[in-house]
Amino acid sequence: QQQVKQSPQSLIVQKGGISIINCAYENTAFDYFPWYQQFPGKGPALLIAIRPDVSEKKEGRFTISFNKSAKQFSLHIMDSQPGDSATYFCAATNSGNTPLVFGKGTRLSVIA
Amino acid sequence: NAGVTQTPKFQVLKTGQSMTLQCAQDMNHNSMYWYRQDPGMGLRLIYYSASEGTTDKGEVPNGYNVSRLNKREFSLRLESAAPSQTSVYFCASDVSYEQYFGPGTRLTVT
Repeated sequence: QQQVKQSPQSLIVQKGGISIINCAYENTAFDYFPWYQQFPGKGPALLIAIRPDVSEKKEGRFTISFNKSAKQFSLHIMDSQPGDSATYFCAATNSGNTPLVFGKGTRLSVIA
Repeated sequence: NAGVTQTPKFQVLKTGQSMTLQCAQDMNHNSMYWYRQDPGMGLRLIYYSASEGTTDKGEVPNGYNVSRLNKREFSLRLESAAPSQTSVYFCASDVSYEQYFGPGTRLTVT
C-alpha cells in the first residue's frame, strides 16, 4: 500500500520557469514531510522539510506548500535552472521512530 | 567525515550466488537503513535498524538478511541472488529524521 502518492512522474520545464511537484498522503499521523533531491549516479540528499504547524517553508528558490486539510504538500522550484535537473522524492513519517515513507519520485528536466 | 560509505560500488552476480553489501557511517547516528531503487518504483525500504542490536523488516525484506555489526556498520546479505534483485542499493543513516545516503551499489544478477 503506497502511503505517499507523488505526481507527476516526469516534468520538463523551461529555464526560468516554475517547477511544481505534488504529493498526497493518507496517514493523518504523519508530522514530518521532507523532500529529497537525487542527481544521476548519486544518493538522495535532503533538500527541504516541513512540519504541519506551518503552511509554507521557503529556502532560496525552493518552497514547500502544505495543506493539512487536503493531506497534500508540494515543492515549488522558482526560476528553475538546468542544474536543478534531478529526481525529486517527497517523503513522510510520524515522529514515533518509524521510517520515512517515500513517494515514487519525479524526474525533472530543466531545458534552456 | 566520510559520511555514509558503501562497498562495493558495482557488482555482477550469477543467479544463486551470495554476497554481502557493506555500509558504514561515521556520524554516530543510531538509525540505519537499506533501500533498493528501481526505475519507476522509487526508494523501497528493505530493512532498518533503529539502534545497535535491533533490526526490523521494511517493505521488501524477502530474499535479504541484515546485520547491525556495531553502531557504525550495517550490512545487507543476499543468500541466493535472483535476477529480481537487480537494482541499485542505498544505505542511509539518520538523525532527527534527516537521512544521509551513501553513494549506492549497482547490483546486476544474471
